[in-house]
Amino acid sequence: DIQVTQSPSSLSASVGARVTITCRASQTLSRYLNWYQQKPGKAPKLLIYAASSLQSGVPSRFSGGGSGTEYILTISGLQPEDFATYYCQQTYIAPPTFGQGTRVEIK
Amino acid sequence: QVQLQESGPGLVKPSQTLSLTCSVSGGSISGGSFYCSWIRQPAGKGLEWIGRVDATGRTNYNPSLESRVTISVDTSKNELSLRLSSVTAADTAVYYCARGGVWGPDAFDIWGQGTEVTVSS
Repeated sequence: DIQVTQSPSSLSASVGARVTITCRASQTLSRYLNWYQQKPGKAPKLLIYAASSLQSGVPSRFSGGGSGTEYILTISGLQPEDFATYYCQQTYIAPPTFGQGTRVEIK
Repeated sequence: QVQLQESGPGLVKPSQTLSLTCSVSGGSISGGSFYCSWIRQPAGKGLEWIGRVDATGRTNYNPSLESRVTISVDTSKNELSLRLSSVTAADTAVYYCARGGVWGPDAFDIWGQGTEVTVSS
């Protein structure tokens, strides 16, 4: 299986802050990388697909980038509703695998 | 708008078979490209993909679970099912069904609310 490692595992940030989460893979993903947001007790929600494409209805403060083995999720101007856990997911090679998650907390 | 809803027993005894159903509403499983996966999440932990089925019934499974998993689709009922045999406490988790297909079979744009399953005697 392809291993995907997120960093940091958790972070504290203030409302309005710019936040970046990194996802590193054990081999190239050719941009087959998605990002999800999960709030407590809820199902994950697709934010970004194919590394940088914004899912319909997702605010433009979320953006994704990267290539090869390293990908980044950026939240520009953190809002109260953005405090959640974020997961990256590779779909380049079966089985699809998720990162361990990054918990974004209020500072 | 397509919606997914998981259902099934919340408690399963060790060594028995876990059986869950995912009902699809707001759209037909048999219309167009349809892929649906089962994903699970132990309490406080990350997400694990279990397997996928398409509208034709073709399946793909996680090798780590393949020997114990069966996923099937019933287009007449517009639902899919998951069976996981020989369960242990390690199979205790919230189980989700999730739709893929629009941006790739494993880019999950619609999720069910999840159903919690505990394996205990």
